[in-house]
Amino acid sequence: EIVMTQSPATLSVSPGERATLSCRASQSVSSNLAWYQQRPGQAPRLLIYGASTRATGIPARFSGSGSGTEFTLTISSLQSEDFAVYYCQQYDNWQAFTFGPGTKVDIK
Amino acid sequence: QVQLVQSGPEVKKPGASVKVSCKASGYTFTSYGISWVRQAPGQGLEWMGWISAYSGDTNYSQKFQGRVTMTTDTSTSTAYMELRSLRSADTAVYYCARIRWEVGATRLDYWGQGTLVTVSS
Repeated sequence: EIVMTQSPATLSVSPGERATLSCRASQSVSSNLAWYQQRPGQAPRLLIYGASTRATGIPARFSGSGSGTEFTLTISSLQSEDFAVYYCQQYDNWQAFTFGPGTKVDIK
Repeated sequence: QVQLVQSGPEVKKPGASVKVSCKASGYTFTSYGISWVRQAPGQGLEWMGWISAYSGDTNYSQKFQGRVTMTTDTSTSTAYMELRSLRSADTAVYYCARIRWEVGATRLDYWGQGTLVTVSS
């Protein structure tokens, strides 16, 4: 089973600043990595898939990079609506999904 | 537009079963899969399994094998998730999500609003 880890657990950022979130897989997942945003009381929303492709309607300030076991989600200039929890997710050769534990981005 | 609308909240006693529905609209139901993900209070997302709406094939997380059954009704574009032998640790919000299968880029691109299942004596 592939295990996903995320760091940091909490990231405190001021509005307008850049946020960098990390996700690591216990073994290579190639580019089969997605990122989701979850605001309080809401369902998750797909942000990034294939490690670096923005989903429909996602602003350009969100970008993803990486491959293999190391991945990064960058939010270039945080807006008030971006304070949320972010999860990475992989899909593996056994056709199973695994989520990371999440990174909470809160206001500094 | 793509929508997944789930059934309402449930309260169950330990040992009982619950069946949550997820009605899809705005796309060809049999061209995609449906995955179920749950979230215990204050916790992260936990993948439970998926079902292909085309073939009915399923893949369950080992954690839920033997206790969960996922089905679809293609005549109504509805997916179902039944969880048996409920315990308090199953108290969670249960989400359905559409699976977009693509080599190197499989993802859950649309989500239902969630169904709260409370297990309490």
